[in-house]
Formats: sequence, C-alpha cells, structure tokens
Amino acid sequence: GESVGLHLPTLSVQEGDNSIINCAYSNSASDYFIWYKQESGKGPQFIIDIRSNMDKRQGQRVTVLLNKTVKHLSLQIAATQPGDSAVYFCAEKSGGTSYGKLTFGQGTILTVHP
Amino acid sequence: KAGVTQTPRYLIKTRGQQVTLSCSPISGHRSVSWYQQTPGQGLQFLFEYFSETQRNKGNFPGRFSGRQFSNSRSEMNVSTLELGDSALYLCASSLTGDTEAFFGQGTRLTVV
Repeated sequence: GESVGLHLPTLSVQEGDNSIINCAYSNSASDYFIWYKQESGKGPQFIIDIRSNMDKRQGQRVTVLLNKTVKHLSLQIAATQPGDSAVYFCAEKSGGTSYGKLTFGQGTILTVHP
Repeated sequence: KAGVTQTPRYLIKTRGQQVTLSCSPISGHRSVSWYQQTPGQGLQFLFEYFSETQRNKGNFPGRFSGRQFSNSRSEMNVSTLELGDSALYLCASSLTGDTEAFFGQGTRLTVV
C-alpha cells in the first residue's frame, strides 16, 4: 500500500539560544536511553545516554533529563550553533533479552539560524 | 580508533535480485545490530548479532538475513528484492549490546 511519510516535529532557534528537544516513550520496561544526531547523508551520531537509575546527565553543552513517571525524555543543548542543525532522535532499550535493539522515536528537525 | 565502516555506500539493484551489505564494527565491539531507515517508517530494528549468534530479531520477513564472523564483522543479505526495500541500511556496534551503540554511515540501497 501507499506509505505515509513521517511528519517530523520541527524546532527553529537562533544561534546562541538554548534548545530543548522532547521525546515521549511508551515502554515501562525501557531502562536505557540514547540521544542521536543525524545530519543529511550520514548515520546517526551518538550524543549522550542515560540509564533509568538516573534522572539527569550532563555532557559537553548537552543535558539529558529523564522523567520515568511520565515516560518523558528531553535533550537540552546550550548555546546552540548552526552546526547543531540536524535531525535528533531519542532511542530506548528495554532490559532483559532485548540485546542490541533500540527503538527509535520519529525524530525532531532542529534548525539553527545564524 | 576507527569507527563503524559500512560497504558499499550506495547500491542500485533490480527487483528480484539479492544484495549483501557489509559492516565492520569498532575494534573490540562484539555486538552488531542492523537497522532500516525509510522516510515512511523511520528507523527500524532488523537483527542483532553477538559472537556469531543472532540474539535478537525484528519484524521483517525472512528475505532479510544476516550473519557475523569470528572477527565480529557482519553481513546482511536481502533476497528477492522489492521496491519497498529501498532504504538506508545502518549498522551499529557496541561492546555487548547493552552499552553505547555507534552507527556507521549506512548503505543507501535503491531497488528499481
């Protein structure tokens, strides 16, 4: 049948602003979460991860927040730069025998204007 | 340290043909996972291999298969290609399958 393209959420910010990208997940058994950045023509690039026993983790210019109560994940990018423009994906992995299997969100398009 | 390498980068095949894609993981990584990325379905998990064994499989038809060699390099094969198989095929490597997963650049497959 005819496939329907995903309509990705978009976020447009000015250079230097802080960006917040949100992600909702549905699997209560998910215990590991990763944020990826994907630029056109490239594979997803690992940004930061967090395990379910934490609610916040910081990296260089990035912070991931995890709210297990409402099954919500967010990525905060400080002082956003034009090079941050890309599609951002959250991915989740459940425990047990779910080896190597990440379930991806639909993605968010971030556009940073100079 | 070299990243994940996928070959070839681009492929054009005809319906009904079969195709083999290759993935060399990061040195020391024993888990290799494969994903299909399309505009309509996003990123979808195909299967995962660890120490030459398939440990996990997604919801794809049996035309999609894979294998892993003793050096952790992995191949995936798609037989009897259909137009809908046109996609970016990505592989990801991790130490154990429960840790950070790093992706290659992907193989862009076009079926005509």
